[in-house]
Amino acid sequence: SQQGEEDPQALSIQEGENATMNCSYKTSINNLQWYRQNSGRGLVHLILIRSNEREKHSGRLRVTLDTSKKSSSLLITASRAADTASYFCATDSTNAGKSTFGDGTTLTVKP
Amino acid sequence: EADIYQTPRYLVIGTGKKITLECSQTMGHDKMYWYQQDPGMELHLIHYSYGVNSTEKGDLSSESTVSRIRTEHFPLTLESARPSHTSQYLCASSENGVYGYTFGSGTRLTVV
Repeated sequence: SQQGEEDPQALSIQEGENATMNCSYKTSINNLQWYRQNSGRGLVHLILIRSNEREKHSGRLRVTLDTSKKSSSLLITASRAADTASYFCATDSTNAGKSTFGDGTTLTVKP
Repeated sequence: EADIYQTPRYLVIGTGKKITLECSQTMGHDKMYWYQQDPGMELHLIHYSYGVNSTEKGDLSSESTVSRIRTEHFPLTLESARPSHTSQYLCASSENGVYGYTFGSGTRLTVV
């Protein structure tokens, strides 16, 4: 079964609204990463949060990590049409640097 | 500019053909990975490498093979392509897996 599972599977919002996506995982992790993927393209790394961190910011992105609940959330504030993409979480649960990806949340931001 | 390159971007081939998908990175990363992804679906790890002459099979059973003769190069070979191999193949690299992965743009393979 997948280590990371995103929720919701699909999200549609209006430009300017905030978008929140959640990721749950099963085993202990060293870090959790969020990626963005435009249709038919490769993934772009957005942000990495380590297991001893609880919150991290990068521009309009805010990531939280709750290791007791084995969950993370990605918040995109003041969304733009250009934020339309699929967002994946990935977990590194070993020191081997081999991450496992979830099945993604498809975000649509309507102008 | 440091980056990771995949070629070809698109490939349509006939059943039974042998193909090699190329992946090169200029960042000096030791770790490299191949993922398979169907449209709108999750990524499945098929092969990875921790450095030169190191290759491992991933979580998804695959009929492909890889080699790592040089740090910057990690090609994926299908000896005999089948329609079930139709998918997108993504190559990635990382610096010890600590700072996240850098992905290539992918190769979209169609086997007819």
